[in-house]
Amino acid sequence: EAGVVQSPRYKIIEKKQPVAFWCNPISGHNTLYWYLQNLGQGPELLIRYENEEAVDDSQLPKDRFSAERLKGVDSTLKIQPAELGDSAVYLCASSPERGTDTQYFGPGTRLTVL
Amino acid sequence: GEDVEQSLFLSVREGDSSVINCTYTDSSSTYLYWYKQEPGAGLQLLTYIFSNMDMKQDQRLTVLLNKKDKHLSLRIADTQTGDSAIYFCAERMTTDSWGKLQFGAGTQVVVTP
Repeated sequence: EAGVVQSPRYKIIEKKQPVAFWCNPISGHNTLYWYLQNLGQGPELLIRYENEEAVDDSQLPKDRFSAERLKGVDSTLKIQPAELGDSAVYLCASSPERGTDTQYFGPGTRLTVL
Repeated sequence: GEDVEQSLFLSVREGDSSVINCTYTDSSSTYLYWYKQEPGAGLQLLTYIFSNMDMKQDQRLTVLLNKKDKHLSLRIADTQTGDSAIYFCAERMTTDSWGKLQFGAGTQVVVTP
């Protein structure tokens, strides 16, 4: 069974440019998460989806960040415009259903903003 | 910042046992997790323990839970060089009806020959 797929694995952009990250969860997993991981820290939740509904986006900086999961399967996280402080690893995870919350992580996208 | 606390670094000799410690915050947490992260990779679920258990063993891994002190530990027996990684402790928060995970900052384990 394929794991959580993320692309790209690495992205380097200049500040003020837009950037997008893509995630395909494990087949059949209804819940999808986007996390931010700064260097030397644990992941911090940005947004959580239950199917196509964003059920927790309280930590998402909505002035520049947006996310979508239109058909309840794969998801895109966008930053526009990117700032220097956005340099981090963006992790996607999925879990089978609400309640179990055993989350399976993708390899992440490492973003560098110059 | 993280409310889940872990020591930042652990050095261990190959073949010895490693013990990674974690203190968590929510005494009502239902599940507690250990994840492993190798360089350039995502987090790999190692094991988890339900809050009504004191211990869980899975091959070389032993998880101990002290609910009174809100202390969780992960013991790795016969540590190998492939165990070198960052280990994250996480608790499932019951203050959130969706069971949000709160991660610690991670413990870097370095295994020396």
